Amino acid sequence: DVKVTQSSRYLVKRTGEKVFLECVQDMDHENMFWYRQDPGLGLRLIYFSYDVKMKEKGDIPEGYSVSREKKERFSLILESASTNQTSMYLCASSLGSGLAVNEQFFGPGTRLTVL
Amino acid sequence: DAKTTQPPSMDCAEGRAANLPCNHSTISGNEYVYWYRQIHSQGPQYIIHGLKNNETNEMASLIITEDRKSSTLILPHATLRDTAVYYCIVRVASNTGKLIFGQGTTLQVKP
Repeated sequence: DVKVTQSSRYLVKRTGEKVFLECVQDMDHENMFWYRQDPGLGLRLIYFSYDVKMKEKGDIPEGYSVSREKKERFSLILESASTNQTSMYLCASSLGSGLAVNEQFFGPGTRLTVL
Repeated sequence: DAKTTQPPSMDCAEGRAANLPCNHSTISGNEYVYWYRQIHSQGPQYIIHGLKNNETNEMASLIITEDRKSSTLILPHATLRDTAVYYCIVRVASNTGKLIFGQGTTLQVKP
């Protein structure tokens, strides 16, 4: 069964802390994505990666960075967490080409609370 | 990507077919229709996609009108576990990057 896993289901951090959210997929997918989901705003893309060490900014990259050192792993980093980064964070992956490129497989999400 | 319009909410009786409509009147010839759903507190789940022919898989059927300006996702025998927000997305198949999830339709399956 295909799977996207995220390191934590729930996370509580303090303002100013550096936060790492990790995502791992076992489908050998080229593309990986980080979204955040907030009530009334839907899903918004933070960053995506189409290959190892490659990254592209999404709609709301400010305050975030990413790392993709291995194909199966895509990390989201909050350099200095702020309360407005309290949100549900969702990781997804997909194949890199062909009709399946938009069949994104999502992880269960990490609900991050920044105090 | 073409804009989509969906009703904000729908109810369906358990065991009955759920028919979820989506309007995409500005769809281009090379854009596909994708459906995802999101069950509460989970990540979105891909359901099905199509270009112009009707499609069926183990989860649902997708009916696209001949002019491709609208489509209907059909869950043939809805169960309580199908209660979720359903998103219709129109996109060129070759484009990678973000999926634009609108507000979707909240389907409530009732016993």
